[in-house]
Amino acid sequence: EAGVVQSPRYKIIEKKQPVAFWCNPISGHNTLYWYLQNLGQGPELLIRYENEEAVDDSQLPKDRFSAERLKGVDSTLKIQPAELGDSAVYLCASSPSSGQNTEAFFGQGTRLTVV
Amino acid sequence: GDSVTQMEGPVTLSEEAFLTINCTYTATGYPSLFWYVQYPGEGLQLLLKATKADDKGSNKGFEATYRKETTSFHLEKGSVQVSDSAVYFCALNYGGATNKLIFGTGTLLAVQP
Repeated sequence: EAGVVQSPRYKIIEKKQPVAFWCNPISGHNTLYWYLQNLGQGPELLIRYENEEAVDDSQLPKDRFSAERLKGVDSTLKIQPAELGDSAVYLCASSPSSGQNTEAFFGQGTRLTVV
Repeated sequence: GDSVTQMEGPVTLSEEAFLTINCTYTATGYPSLFWYVQYPGEGLQLLLKATKADDKGSNKGFEATYRKETTSFHLEKGSVQVSDSAVYFCALNYGGATNKLIFGTGTLLAVQP
């Protein structure tokens, strides 16, 4: 079974440019997460989807970040315009449900460098 | 708010040594506790979990016990291998409406032959 697929793996952009990350979750997983991982830190949740609905976006900087999950499957996270401080690894994860004990499956992440 | 604190790394051990990575948490309720591992070049993957006080999670020779009285979930392994070299993250989750993993900062383990 294929895992969570993210693309691209690496992205280098100049500040003020837009950038987008794509995530394909495990088939049948209703819950999708985007996490931000800064260097030397643990991942922090940006947004969580249940099917196509964003149910927790309280940590998403909405002035420059946006996300969508079309038809409750694939998801895209966008930054416009990017700032130097956005350099980090963006992780996508999915799980079959939102149960307390449910395992989240992570993709390999997209490493963004803003120059 | 809820948080997870891990011992700072890197932790460097020789093969077959005993491993302990400390993890303590602050929680307002009764979360489940997790250890995730990130091998070089790979995504985070679940290593083990415990869902309530006194539960012991175990996998691949690793163990951790949910200690409510000390708010701890220390990771242990009796004999580490070079292949265990990775970054280990402790995390908690309540699930439901507040479903999100709250991670510690991670601990890099380097095992030398």
